[in-house]
Amino acid sequence: DSGVTQTPKHLITATGQRVTLRCSPRSGDLSVYWYQQSLDQGLQFLIQYYNGEERAKGNILERFSAQQFPDLHSELNLSSLELGDSALYFCASSVGQGNSPLHFGNGTRLTVT
Amino acid sequence: AQKVTQAQTEISVVEKEDVTLDCVYETRDTTYYLFWYKQPPSGELVFLIRRNSFDEQNEISGRYSWNFQKSTSSFNFTITASQVVDSAVYFCALSDHNYGQNFVFGPGTRLSVLP
Repeated sequence: DSGVTQTPKHLITATGQRVTLRCSPRSGDLSVYWYQQSLDQGLQFLIQYYNGEERAKGNILERFSAQQFPDLHSELNLSSLELGDSALYFCASSVGQGNSPLHFGNGTRLTVT
Repeated sequence: AQKVTQAQTEISVVEKEDVTLDCVYETRDTTYYLFWYKQPPSGELVFLIRRNSFDEQNEISGRYSWNFQKSTSSFNFTITASQVVDSAVYFCALSDHNYGQNFVFGPGTRLSVLP
């Protein structure tokens, strides 16, 4: 158990809809990362937060947004969903230093129909 | 820009064979960190090892060993006497020293260990 909690585990929704994915980092970790993994693909970095502030941005679509709250949990909002957004979305946390490994949650599997 | 290359997309071996997974990285930083992660068929991502750029000592943990060579910008992972449970996708990753920004993953190598 990595200590990172992601909810929900599975999400099935229709095109055009909006969903929110939630992540609780490990106790003591200040940094949260979001990654997207499409079928048989690698890990695409979306966005990173550190202690409530956006720290780095990857190839995140404009339809997607995220935030990290004062209690350090994070939410990833996906709107105007398309079929191609179907993927496994991972949250990871770390203490926020460069040498800190990322600890991943079990992911949220999003299916857009 | 930082980059991680894992040239082997898929590898198949028979149980008990040794296998090496290659990882080549690019960075302009002098201080950086390298990682390996395992993603078994169940889907979770498991942290295996971290290596600092200033520590080129190889590391062995049971059947796993890692060879870090700055001269060739490589951080290769060897599994000795592979087992079916080693079947997974393995990712190599690179992080800079600045608050863990630019945590970049390679494309992964899918290892299948056949009984």
